Amino acid sequence: NAGVTQTPKFRILKIGQSMTLQCTQDMNHNYMYWYRQDPGMGLKLIYYSVGAGITDKGEVPNGYNVSRSTTEDFPLRLELAAPSQTSVYFCASRTSGRAAHYYNEQFFGPGTRLTVL
Amino acid sequence: GQQVMQIPQYQHVQEGEDFTTYCNSSTTLSNIQWYKQRPGGHPVFLIQLVKSGEVKKQKRLTFQFGEAKKNSSLHITATQTTDVGTYFCAGPRNTGKLIFGQGTTLQVKP
Repeated sequence: NAGVTQTPKFRILKIGQSMTLQCTQDMNHNYMYWYRQDPGMGLKLIYYSVGAGITDKGEVPNGYNVSRSTTEDFPLRLELAAPSQTSVYFCASRTSGRAAHYYNEQFFGPGTRLTVL
Repeated sequence: GQQVMQIPQYQHVQEGEDFTTYCNSSTTLSNIQWYKQRPGGHPVFLIQLVKSGEVKKQKRLTFQFGEAKKNSSLHITATQTTDVGTYFCAGPRNTGKLIFGQGTTLQVKP
């Protein structure tokens, strides 16, 4: 299994440009997540999905969009890039917990480092 | 809303010294997870604690979940340079999301 893969690894955008960050997992996980991590900071949830066709906003969704047409893929779309979106973006996935109180671990991709100039 | 706070934000230790990071939640947690992120890397799951007062060990790492299930700690005995990185705690929300603490970055001087 490749696990969670993300492309591209690095990207520089100009203000106002758009791009899609790709995320694919081959573990048949139903939950998928997008986080951003600013330097020296924790992980902020942008969007998440509990299964194909279902997405929901996280803490910082403004300026982003997602779709989940398949179990494997969860792309993140940036429209009209702004310098405030300069960050490292991580995609993660997990299975459902085996019990109500048990929350399975999240598997993270290697990240995409995005700079908006 | 629910918050998870970690202290300290940074810690520099001499190799061989012990290290502890603390995690506090504003609400009771059903469980807590710990992740480690090496410099330039991605977060990697370390452990999950579920029971009140639970203590789990992984070699030199000891994880503890508070009796009230609102706090947790990670203690590393005799740090090594391989322990360098940022340690995150995370607690779940009912909707399937994880709330991450800000992390504690550990630097180890050889």
